[in-house]
Amino acid sequence: GDKVKQSPSALSLQEGTNSALRCNFSIAATTVQWFLQNPRGSLMNLFYLVPGTKENGRLKSAFDSKESYSTLHIRDAQLEDSGTYFCAAEAFGSWQLIFGSGTQLTVMP
Amino acid sequence: EAGVTQSPRYAVLQEGQAVSFWCDPISGHDTLYWYQQPRDQGPQLLVYFRDEAVIDNSQLPSDRFSAVRPKGTNSTLKIQSAKQGDTATYLCASSRTGGYERLFFGHGTKLSVL
Repeated sequence: GDKVKQSPSALSLQEGTNSALRCNFSIAATTVQWFLQNPRGSLMNLFYLVPGTKENGRLKSAFDSKESYSTLHIRDAQLEDSGTYFCAAEAFGSWQLIFGSGTQLTVMP
Repeated sequence: EAGVTQSPRYAVLQEGQAVSFWCDPISGHDTLYWYQQPRDQGPQLLVYFRDEAVIDNSQLPSDRFSAVRPKGTNSTLKIQSAKQGDTATYLCASSRTGGYERLFFGHGTKLSVL
């Protein structure tokens, strides 16, 4: 099965609303990274997390290693937030990042 | 600070042809990764290097794919005899220290094998 499972797979939002994306891990994740892939294909690193939370502007992310999940909250969604969000986990004892399948987010005016 | 640079941006091949992708990581990043991203999927690791050494190439189809990083800086990924199933975006990424550090990606090379 999927070692990193993202939900939902797709999401549509009205501009100005809030949303939450989630990743569940079936591996012992030690760190998590969140990325946004824009429509041109470029992957931008949003967060690097050890267990705990981080906030950057309208984005907030949390990683709970004991419960094996991470979340990404988007507040006051803007059109430029559209794209595919990927989470990736680093497993204990490994230097590899394992990616989820992504959440395709569309923000509508 | 310059980001991760990849070339070419696009490649279109017939089956059986060869192609090479080139990557220049962020200066000072000792770890370099090559990922394959099929359409509508997440990136999947092919191979990664610490300096010039291959750390893990277990996911690299060794009969047709090869990757080198001879001086521990730039890297080349080569497909000897492309197949339609190789159609994907090939992403290069780099980080410091090979783990427990943020990963930065290039814009990728979009490969279509006809």
